[in-house]
Amino acid sequence: GAVVSQHPSWVICKSGTSVKIECRSLDFQATTMFWYRQFPKQSLMLMATSNEGSKATYEQGVEKDKFLINHASLTLSTLTVTSAHPEDSSFYICSANLLAGLYNEQFFGPGTRLTVL
Amino acid sequence: AQSVTQLGSHVSVSEGALVLLRCNYSSSVPPYLFWYVQYPNQGLQLLLKYTTGATLVKGINGFEAEFKKSETSFHLTKPSAHMSDAAEYFCAVSDWGAGNMLTFGGGTRLMVKP
Repeated sequence: GAVVSQHPSWVICKSGTSVKIECRSLDFQATTMFWYRQFPKQSLMLMATSNEGSKATYEQGVEKDKFLINHASLTLSTLTVTSAHPEDSSFYICSANLLAGLYNEQFFGPGTRLTVL
Repeated sequence: AQSVTQLGSHVSVSEGALVLLRCNYSSSVPPYLFWYVQYPNQGLQLLLKYTTGATLVKGINGFEAEFKKSETSFHLTKPSAHMSDAAEYFCAVSDWGAGNMLTFGGGTRLMVKP
């Protein structure tokens, strides 16, 4: 089946540093990937839609200069949290869209837990 | 605009009892509906989905859901709960034309008592 990986699975960093999270589709190509944020005991909030070879589309209220998204290949999207602060601590989940003919499904990565001290 | 409402943020059932998790949606176009399960500190796993055709959809782990257009509902059921079913469940809706962007409900935590 379609597998999406995320790296790292967890990261702890100091306030003010930048953190990069990778999202890879391991056995399929994904022109579209999505980045979500999930606070404890809450639902997933879509942050941005990442399209291969073009700029990401950010949801309202998400700072694009703080959450840099790059989708340089059909199997890799990265989310960089710049100048991280404690309020950025959260569970970040990516998904990759598998589109083949009439088949259209989103596969989720296992998530990355970010803790900013 | 699409939205999803999951009634009951917490549901507790006894092992062997019926599981019913409620989901209502609003959509301006024919919806694609999904149920996902999330275990602690993990990503989401698709349980089942409705796209077109038969309104009763069967998924993995014995779960099923029925799309009722007149009630704008897509409730998730399982005849007999198992301890391993304890998890967070999310209902979601998408518009095919929107690149499969999902809108999630608030989630329901299912607890299974022995």
